[in-house]
Amino acid sequence: AQKVTQAQTEISVVEKEDVTLDCVYETRDTTYYLFWYKQPPSGELVFLIRRNSFDEQNEISGRYSWNFQKSTSSFNFTITASQVVDSAVYFCALRVRDAGNMLTFGGGTRLMVKP
Amino acid sequence: GAVVSQHPSRVICKSGTSVKIECRSLDFQATTMFWYRQFPKQSLMLMATSNEGSKATYEQGVEKDKFLINHASLTLSTLTVTSAHPEDSSFYICSASEGLGTAHSDTQYFGPGTRLTVL
Repeated sequence: AQKVTQAQTEISVVEKEDVTLDCVYETRDTTYYLFWYKQPPSGELVFLIRRNSFDEQNEISGRYSWNFQKSTSSFNFTITASQVVDSAVYFCALRVRDAGNMLTFGGGTRLMVKP
Repeated sequence: GAVVSQHPSRVICKSGTSVKIECRSLDFQATTMFWYRQFPKQSLMLMATSNEGSKATYEQGVEKDKFLINHASLTLSTLTVTSAHPEDSSFYICSASEGLGTAHSDTQYFGPGTRLTVL
């Protein structure tokens, strides 16, 4: 069975601070994909990134960066110089080959960026 | 690209009535669509997976006679909540992916959600 754990249920930072959202996953499958989604107050989940299990390269996209470490089964997400518009719930999700296209979601981390 | 729409965005209905929610992939063909339910301050709970032209696969504990899912075309799936009751009030979200459902490289793109309130 698969499991995704986002230990931080809520994080509050002040604008311009850097913040890291943790994600730890469990699976026995050697082929899998990891995702991060953002859910702003409007409710729509916005796709941020997909990473496959064979690609451990870290990725940077603007103020966002992701650190994939297979050794610790973690896929952490860092926002640099946070902004109020970053306030949202962020979900980490896992998809494995044996589960077809099904996603296993973490519990989500609510990020509040204060001005 | 990869836009998914849902209609309606918000619906209020009386107990005992049925409500239909539509999910459309606007710029791609969605072989597989998923329906989720989300309670306040909680994560998404998968209700069912539907592949175009075949019956939906429901997750354990989800009543298929209560939540009717139809995926008649590659761009449209519908969820009908039959004989809705207050406990069915929730945020329903659909997602769609282009792959055949078993290809592990496909990403799910989510609709904006439908907030259902049953009085």
